[in-house]
Amino acid sequence: KNQVEQSPQSLIILEGKNCTLQCNYTVSPFSNLRWYKQDTGRGPVSLTIMTFSENTKSNGRYTATLDADTKQSSLHITASQLSDSASYICVVSALSGNTPLVFGKGTRLSVIA
Amino acid sequence: DTAVSQTPKYLVTQMGNDKSIKCEQNLGHDTMYWYKQDSKKFLKIMFSYNNKELIINETVPNRFSPKSPDKAHLNLHINSLELGDSAVYFCASSYGTFDEQYFGPGTRLTVT
Repeated sequence: KNQVEQSPQSLIILEGKNCTLQCNYTVSPFSNLRWYKQDTGRGPVSLTIMTFSENTKSNGRYTATLDADTKQSSLHITASQLSDSASYICVVSALSGNTPLVFGKGTRLSVIA
Repeated sequence: DTAVSQTPKYLVTQMGNDKSIKCEQNLGHDTMYWYKQDSKKFLKIMFSYNNKELIINETVPNRFSPKSPDKAHLNLHINSLELGDSAVYFCASSYGTFDEQYFGPGTRLTVT
């Protein structure tokens, strides 16, 4: 069964600190993996999209990694800011099947001063 | 210059009513989607349309009927609303199924 598991479920960190969010998946055949940021009361916004051949991709202070062999991805946030407080959702796309997009349940990040 | 817009932003209605949510995108995308986000913040895809044709229809009750008059619009009509339909509904669009998706601001539906 295609699944995406994210950890931790929630995380609180101090402003300026770094953090790493995890995503494990069992989606097959794999097409790409996406990380979205969703602020409270808003729609998700894409941070990164990675295909099978990409190991890492950065978007400002956000860096995503992908290990297609172990089917794991991480999202690293550097020098966190209060505005990073949001839910971060990992989404894996399959090449075929009736459910090409499989969503994780998200990690709720709170950055406090 | 809004990319993906939805109306209304909030919708409060009684059980048994029929309601519609509208979505429009001005990005020139070929694919549009409807998602439901429940109280636990879990996003779940409901429908996907490519060039006005349905390509994904998850296990959604047939009370939900998407309508795509053209590739820039994907409206969601819901018949006989139930309490469990209360959620935030997001519209999204992308060039293709495997491309980056752009989400609308969401419509918070409350069924009383």
